[in-house]
Amino acid sequence: AQTVTQSQPEMSVQEAETVTLSCTYDTSESDYYLFWYKQPPSRQMILVIRQEAYKQQNATENRFSVNFQKAAKSFSLKISDSQLGDAAMYFCAYRSQAAGNKLTFGGGTRVLVKP
Amino acid sequence: NAGVTQTPKFQVLKTGQSMTLQCAQDMNHNSMYWYRQDPGMGLRLIYYSASEGTTDKGEVPNGYNVSRLNKREFSLRLESAAPSQTSVYFCASSEVWGQYYGYTFGSGTRLTVV
Repeated sequence: AQTVTQSQPEMSVQEAETVTLSCTYDTSESDYYLFWYKQPPSRQMILVIRQEAYKQQNATENRFSVNFQKAAKSFSLKISDSQLGDAAMYFCAYRSQAAGNKLTFGGGTRVLVKP
Repeated sequence: NAGVTQTPKFQVLKTGQSMTLQCAQDMNHNSMYWYRQDPGMGLRLIYYSASEGTTDKGEVPNGYNVSRLNKREFSLRLESAAPSQTSVYFCASSEVWGQYYGYTFGSGTRLTVV
């Protein structure tokens, strides 16, 4: 079974600075998708960024970018120019057709943004 | 607004009581899911329905039942609530063929069993 691990329970960043969240996963498949979700205090799950495993180019969405290392099974999220609104729980997630298209989540990382 | 609607948003139950969490989506998605969220454990899959008429167990199905009422609706039932089922419950939907797509989530139900 696929597993997703987020080793940092909490990260703190100064406003306008950069923070990187770590995520590793375990799979024997070659075709899959990886996601980062944001969960603010409102509890809503918001898709931040996604990466297809067959693409070597790292995905970028405005201030959010990933570092996808397929061989190392690593998928980190970088938040640049951090804003107060970035404070939230962040979840890494994995999905593949071979795994029934189900999303498997990591345990989450809480990001605190200091003004 | 299009999306996933969950009811209720909050609920307190006594041990042994039963209840049903309702979920409806209006995006014409084939697949629907129920997750529970506990501190430090992320979201764990309880049950899912890949398409109308089918349901399957996820990672933590014990103590729960589900019904895929039609393409839009997927309910989760607790027959005899236990304190261990205190959690935040999320319903989600997606297209089964679109791995590229993440899920669309409801706003969650905070359930407390006392």
